[in-house]
Parts: sequence; C-alpha cells; structure tokens
Amino acid sequence: DVKVTQSSRYLVKRTGEKVFLECVQDMDHENMFWYRQDPGLGLRLIYFSYDVKMKEKGDIPEGYSVSREKKERFSLILESASTNQTSMYLCASSTDGTRYYEQYFGPGTRLTVT
Amino acid sequence: EDQVTQSPEALRLQEGESSSLNCSYTVSGLRGLFWYRQDPGKGPEFLFTLYSAGEEKEKERLKATLTKKESFLHITAPKPEDSATYLCAVPADRGSTLGRLYFGRGTQLTVWP
Repeated sequence: DVKVTQSSRYLVKRTGEKVFLECVQDMDHENMFWYRQDPGLGLRLIYFSYDVKMKEKGDIPEGYSVSREKKERFSLILESASTNQTSMYLCASSTDGTRYYEQYFGPGTRLTVT
Repeated sequence: EDQVTQSPEALRLQEGESSSLNCSYTVSGLRGLFWYRQDPGKGPEFLFTLYSAGEEKEKERLKATLTKKESFLHITAPKPEDSATYLCAVPADRGSTLGRLYFGRGTQLTVWP
C-alpha cells in the first residue's frame, strides 16, 4: 500500500514565523502535490512537482515556496506565516504511467497561525 | 469558473435509504474521473477511477457511473460508517500542465441509524 506521511498532524505558529511542512512517500512516486483545504472552498492546489528539483505553481502559490531535493520528500515552506494561512494542508503523490492521476494523500497537517 | 461541481453539498440519509451523489464537469477530452472519500480530520482516500462513458465501478455499497458530462456515486442501503465527505476530481484539460487534478467541493454524507 502507498504510504504518504506528513511531519505533524497539528501545528501552532505565530504570525511572521517561517514554517516548514514536510511530506514523505514510500512508493517511489514521481509526482508530489501540496494542497490546502478550507471549509466551503474545497481542495486548492498550492504547488506540485513532477521530478526532483522541479516545481510548478498551482492555483494559490502566493506566500508559499516548496523544495524537492529527494524523490521521496516534498517540503512546503511558509516564508512568513500569516493568519490567513491557517488551514488544513494535505500532501499527495502519484506515479507516472496509466495510474498517473490516482493521487494518494497523507493524513494532513492542521496549521493554526496566531 | 469551477471545473467540477458536486451536488448536493450535504445529504442526510437514514440507514438503508439509498441515494445518489452527482458530479458534473466542464473539462473537454476527459482523461478520467476520480472519486475519493474523506473522513473528518483525515486526508482523502482514493475510491474509483472511471475512464469512459458507460463505465461502472463498484465497491461494497458504492457504485460509480460515468456519462459524457457527469458521474454519479450511488449508495445502496447505506450504513452509518458510510458517513464521510465524497469528493470527485478530473484531470486538467489537455495542454495544461500534466498531473494536476481539479477537485469538486464535495458532498458531506451523514447516515443516521
């Protein structure tokens, strides 16, 4: 079974702090994704990566950056956390080929910025 | 403009009362439609992939069907443990960056005993 893990389930940070969210997958997947999920807005794509050191902006990249130095690890960075970044953050991964679009999600990190 | 629209937003069913959830999409050249289940406080869990109109997939009390413009998730004789939010998603149009999915906002299903 595919396993996607995220570094924290719950995180509380102060406004202006630099925040790192880490995601690791153990199935050698090429593609990795970061979403945020808010009530009434659904899942929104922040960034994704289809290869090591490659990244693509999603729909809401402002205020975020990402890093993918190893295939299994994809990090989301909030350069200077703000209260409007309080949300559930979800990481996902997928392989190439015929199952390209089947994304497997981690458990999520609920981030609160105060 | 939303690429994927799900209805209803919320659905309450009594145990055993069958119903259907709807997912309509606007992308052209559909390359698959995906259903996920999400329990509160957890990440979505992949359920089904449908690739062509007329295709059906089943898992326990769930059956997903696909037409050219929409998909239905039929729930037969639901149980309280089927309570969850059900999400559908479609890949971006051809020509867009590969690999991304557009998700609907979900239908929150509650099944009461």
